[in-house]
Formats: sequence, C-alpha cells, structure tokens
Amino acid sequence: EAGVAQSPRYKIIEKRQSVAFWCNPISGHATLYWYQQILGQGPKLLIQFQNNGVVDDSQLPKDRFSAERLKGVDSTLKIQPAKLEDSAVYLCASSSLTSGNTDTQYFGPGTRLTVL
Amino acid sequence: KNQVEQSPQSLIILEGKNCTLQCNYTVSPFSNLRWYKQDTGRGPVSLTIMTFSENTKSNGRYTATLDADTKQSSLHITASQLSDSASYICVVSAIGWGKLQFGAGTQVVVTP
Repeated sequence: EAGVAQSPRYKIIEKRQSVAFWCNPISGHATLYWYQQILGQGPKLLIQFQNNGVVDDSQLPKDRFSAERLKGVDSTLKIQPAKLEDSAVYLCASSSLTSGNTDTQYFGPGTRLTVL
Repeated sequence: KNQVEQSPQSLIILEGKNCTLQCNYTVSPFSNLRWYKQDTGRGPVSLTIMTFSENTKSNGRYTATLDADTKQSSLHITASQLSDSASYICVVSAIGWGKLQFGAGTQVVVTP
C-alpha cells in the first residue's frame, strides 16, 4: 500500500514569510496527525484530526499556525508569519484509529523547514 | 517535564556488536509502549509495540523489553549492522484519548 505522502520535502523561507505543507494520508485512515520535530528532539504533536474534525490542537500555536483537513482526506498545515524558532521537520502521520490511541501511526518523510 | 526519558542520548558501536537502549516513563495510566526507528531524513517507523501484559517483543535483531512495575523499557540490538544507524524513539501512550508521549530519541551510529 502507498505510504503517507508529504510535500514539499524541503523549504527555505525568510522570517515573517508564510509557508504551507501538504499531507496525503494512507487511504482509508481516519486519523491524521501533524508533528513538529526540532533537531535532536522527539516529535511534538501539533494537531490531530479524526476525519475532518479536530481532536486535539492544544499544542498548536494558533496565533501563527493553522491546519485543515477538508473532506477528511488530505490536509494542509500553514505557518503565517514564520519565526526563526519554527525551523524544524514537520511530520504528518496517519492511523486507522477509530477510538483510543492503540493503533500504529504511519509517518510520512517529513518536510524540513528552514527559516532564515 | 518530559514523561519519557531515554538514555543514552547517543552511542557509537562497532558493526557486529550488541547494544541496549533505555527508556523510562511516568505516563499513567499506561496503555502501550512503542519503539520507533527514524533514519536520517525519514519519518519514524514502528519496530515493536508492547501492552501492559507483555514483557518482551522481538522484531528480527531488535528485542524490546518492558517492566511495567518499574516503568522501564529497553531495546536491544543484536549483531548490529551499518543500516542500524538511526535515531531510536520510545513512545508511550496512556489509556483513552491521551496523546502519545515521545522520548527525545537515542542516536545510534554503527561504524565498520
């Protein structure tokens, strides 16, 4: 089966610019996650969708980050405006999870963002 | 405070040797613990998953152990290969809808 797709793979922008990332989960997976992974650290959950509804966005900096999952399939994550500390890898993951959190998450290759 | 602590932060081993990575957690109530392997420039890939009642799980040359009483887990790599060079991340989840708690990872470098 095809894995989680993300684009672009790399992005370099200047601070205060805007950027958007795209994710297409594994077909049929109801749950989609966006993580931020700073170099040398484990991933940090930004937002979790169940179909097209938000389950958890408690760690999403809502003053500058936004995400949507229209039609419950692919998703976009936007940063507007970007700051230097947003430099990180942004990982998208999906699972067939329908309740609780026992199912395995499958991760995409990530988008490496560099903010100058 | 991070609820999942991993050690060591990094290690270098010779090809063919064994190594053990440690994970201590405080997540409660415990549901399951996973070990992920993350190659450079790639997303994490699940190696093993253990629930409360399981104390060991193997996946090829990778063997994970779990002591739910002391809240400790280890990942043992046997006869390491160059392709084992990666970051190994311990991930713990609580019962219900609680978010996964990720450790910072152990960076393993296998040298010829």
